Amino acid sequence: AQSVTQPDIHITVSEGASLELRCNYSYGATPYLFWYVQSPGQGLQLLLKYFSGDTLVQGIKGFEAEFKRSQSSFNLRKPSVHWSDAAEYFCAVMGQGAQKLVFGQGTRLTINP
Amino acid sequence: DSGVTQTPKHLITATGQRVTLRCSPRSGDLSVYWYQQSLDQGLQFLIQYYNGEERAKGNILERFSAQQFPDLHSELNLSSLELGDSALYFCASSLRTGGSYGYTFGSGTRLTVV
Repeated sequence: AQSVTQPDIHITVSEGASLELRCNYSYGATPYLFWYVQSPGQGLQLLLKYFSGDTLVQGIKGFEAEFKRSQSSFNLRKPSVHWSDAAEYFCAVMGQGAQKLVFGQGTRLTINP
Repeated sequence: DSGVTQTPKHLITATGQRVTLRCSPRSGDLSVYWYQQSLDQGLQFLIQYYNGEERAKGNILERFSAQQFPDLHSELNLSSLELGDSALYFCASSLRTGGSYGYTFGSGTRLTVV
């Protein structure tokens, strides 16, 4: 069965600092990989996705993620965070040909001024 | 505005009652997915419809049911409600079925059972 682990429940960084959110997945083959962001009281917004090809994918709002097959990881990065990046971030996987997204438990990001 | 519309935004009801949550997918999208977000279970897939037909089922309770109508909007019916059903219910839509088309999520319906 597919599963997603986000090891960090809560991360605090200072505004302007770099950010890396970790995501590890378990799946027999290479799944589709996603990062979503959820602001308080809002729905889920897609930041970026990986299907195949270049393992470094660029997303919206200055985010990027790198797929590492050998580590079964898909970590999200941003070189310099802004106060508006404070939100909950979810990593998700979907098996190729499957219908459902399997989400991690989420990482809550707090930004210190 | 994502283009996926969910109503109502908030719902407070008593145990044992029945409620209906509504979702209008993004224009042109044929697939609708329902997810439940709770503090203890996280985001869980409930059910998917594609062009009016059920395509996939997840951890959906027997007390819950859904359907997709000819105009492609979908309704999630929750009956015999329990306190533990309190959660945020999301609808998402995609052009076709499968992840390669990407999901667009609505802003959710927050259900509180008292």
